Amino acid sequence: AQSVTQLDSQVPVFEEAPVELRCNYSSSVSVYLFWYVQYPNQGLQLLLKYLSGSTLVKGINGFEAEFNKSQTSFHLRKPSVHISDTAEYFCAVSERGYNKLIFGAGTRLAVHP
Amino acid sequence: EPEVTQTPSHQVTQMGQEVILRCVPISNHLYFYWYRQILGQKVEFLVSFYNNEISEKSEIFDDQFSVERPDGSNFTLKIRSTKLEDSAMYFCASSGGTAYGYTFGSGTRLTVV
Repeated sequence: AQSVTQLDSQVPVFEEAPVELRCNYSSSVSVYLFWYVQYPNQGLQLLLKYLSGSTLVKGINGFEAEFNKSQTSFHLRKPSVHISDTAEYFCAVSERGYNKLIFGAGTRLAVHP
Repeated sequence: EPEVTQTPSHQVTQMGQEVILRCVPISNHLYFYWYRQILGQKVEFLVSFYNNEISEKSEIFDDQFSVERPDGSNFTLKIRSTKLEDSAMYFCASSGGTAYGYTFGSGTRLTVV
């Protein structure tokens, strides 16, 4: 059965510093991978997705993620964060041939001035 | 950009009452989903719906839950007899197929008192 592990529940970082939010998954078949962001009291917004092709995926708001099949990881990175990036970030996986998303527990990114 | 619309944004109901949460998926999407997020916890899959029937459901989706697509545009989640533990944010999502990703609505916050 597929599962998603987000290794850090909270990540504090100073403004303009780089950040990496870690995500590992387990699955016996090929997967699609997603990162969603949730701002306070709002819904889920898609940041980026990996479906196939290049393992480096660029998304909105300057975020990118790299799919590493051997390490079953899909870490999210941003070279320089802003205060406005403060939010909850969810990694999610969907197995090819199936139609549901399985979410990780989320990582709360707190950007400090 | 096409959106998934959910109504109401917030609903308060008394324990034991029936509630219906409404969603208007993206018009050319074929797959529809309900997820829930209990405050401070991860987003959990409830049910997926395709071709006018449930394609998969989680163990959370017991007999008190039902889904319906009463016309060509709406997709509803009914909770027959609400419990305090049903208090959560409920997200509707739609997809054109797994390879195309998922679009989430802004959610309905259900509070059972």
